[in-house]
Amino acid sequence: AQSVAQPEDQVNVAEGNPLTVKCTYSVSGNPYLFWYVQYPNRGLQFLLKYITGDNLVKGSYGFEAEFNKSQTSFHLKKPSALVSDSALYFCAVSPYSSASKIIFGSGTRLSIRP
Amino acid sequence: EAGVAQSPRYKIIEKRQSVAFWCNPISGHATLYWYQQILGQGPKLLIQFQNNGVVDDSQLPKDRFSAERLKGVDSTLKIQPAKLEDSAVYLCASSLDVGSSYNEQFFGPGTRLTVL
Repeated sequence: AQSVAQPEDQVNVAEGNPLTVKCTYSVSGNPYLFWYVQYPNRGLQFLLKYITGDNLVKGSYGFEAEFNKSQTSFHLKKPSALVSDSALYFCAVSPYSSASKIIFGSGTRLSIRP
Repeated sequence: EAGVAQSPRYKIIEKRQSVAFWCNPISGHATLYWYQQILGQGPKLLIQFQNNGVVDDSQLPKDRFSAERLKGVDSTLKIQPAKLEDSAVYLCASSLDVGSSYNEQFFGPGTRLTVL
């Protein structure tokens, strides 16, 4: 069965420091991988996706994610965190065999302190 | 371009009552999704439409939940009767094509339902 794990409920980082939000997945075949962000009282916003090709994917607001097939991971990263990055982040996976069915992780709350 | 619209934003009802949510997707988007997001969890797909046909409703509790997209544009999700465990945020999303993951999903602000 397909699944996504976000092992950290919360990540705390000081402004200006690099940040990493972890995600691992389990899916048969080649995965499509996504990161979404959810700000308070707003819907989910798409950040980036991995379909194929370069393992390092760049997305919105300076975020990037690295696909690691051997570790089945897709960690979200940013070199220098901003207070405005504080939000709830969701990793999601879609199996190649059912391209439109996206399975979301439980989310990681990112808190950036000034 | 205008985003995905949902109404109402908040709804409080008592158990066993009925409730309906409305969603208007981005113009031209063929695929529409309804998700349930329980507090502390990620969104769970309830139903997916391609135009006005159902693509996937495998996780929709069909004894109490129903959804329709009659003209292939806006959609309604209904719960009848509601249970306490239905308290959640109901998210609507749309995507441009027939449902391929090549196109990202655009989400509405959600409807927060509280069942007392």
